[in-house]
Amino acid sequence: EVHLLESGGGLVQPGGSLRLSCAASGFTFDDYAMTWVRQAPGRGLEWVSSIYSSSTRTFYEDSVKGRFTISRDNSKNMVYLQMNSLRAEDTAIYYCAKGLWYFDYWGQGILVTVSS
Amino acid sequence: EIVLTQSPGTLSLSPGERATLSCRASQSVGSNYLAWYQQKPGQAPRLLIYGASDRATGIPDRFSGSGSGTDFTLTITRLEPEDFAVYYCQHYDGSPLAFGGGTKVEIK
Repeated sequence: EVHLLESGGGLVQPGGSLRLSCAASGFTFDDYAMTWVRQAPGRGLEWVSSIYSSSTRTFYEDSVKGRFTISRDNSKNMVYLQMNSLRAEDTAIYYCAKGLWYFDYWGQGILVTVSS
Repeated sequence: EIVLTQSPGTLSLSPGERATLSCRASQSVGSNYLAWYQQKPGQAPRLLIYGASDRATGIPDRFSGSGSGTDFTLTITRLEPEDFAVYYCQHYDGSPLAFGGGTKVEIK
């Protein structure tokens, strides 16, 4: 059974940093691209970033380019999202999802709150 | 970049009724690279449809997707109590990927 579990969220001040982690199990992790999607409170879904299975390519939504970095460690079945220079508008539930284009499995999500 | 507009914003129906949800793209979505998701309160989204019309694993056949180009439809033939939720379309015709704003299907 596929399982994705996010961690690392919490409250951070504007301008601060957080590193989200996603532990994957139940599938051959290094065969699949992985993606982060976020959802601001009471709002819709927003694609954030994706990474190829081999880490050779990464993709970012414009508002996070230069501030967020996606990475993965295939030896640990982990994917990460390093978030720097955080803004109030980054406040959201962040979901880890399996896939590059559409997403057949999702984690339960982790809340990131950016506030002073 | 492709922008997706979903309508209506809210659909009020009774169990057993048919639901028809629309997703319109600002430009043609190549190769029908369109997916649909269901999201219930406090839960992660669940993939229903990909490739505009292919049901994901384990999805009941009362859910169907259709359309091409700029106009896509999700149909739920007979609403079950567990189908009342928010539905999102998403294109994957290149980066940036984008989701529609969602349609809430609520109990009338």
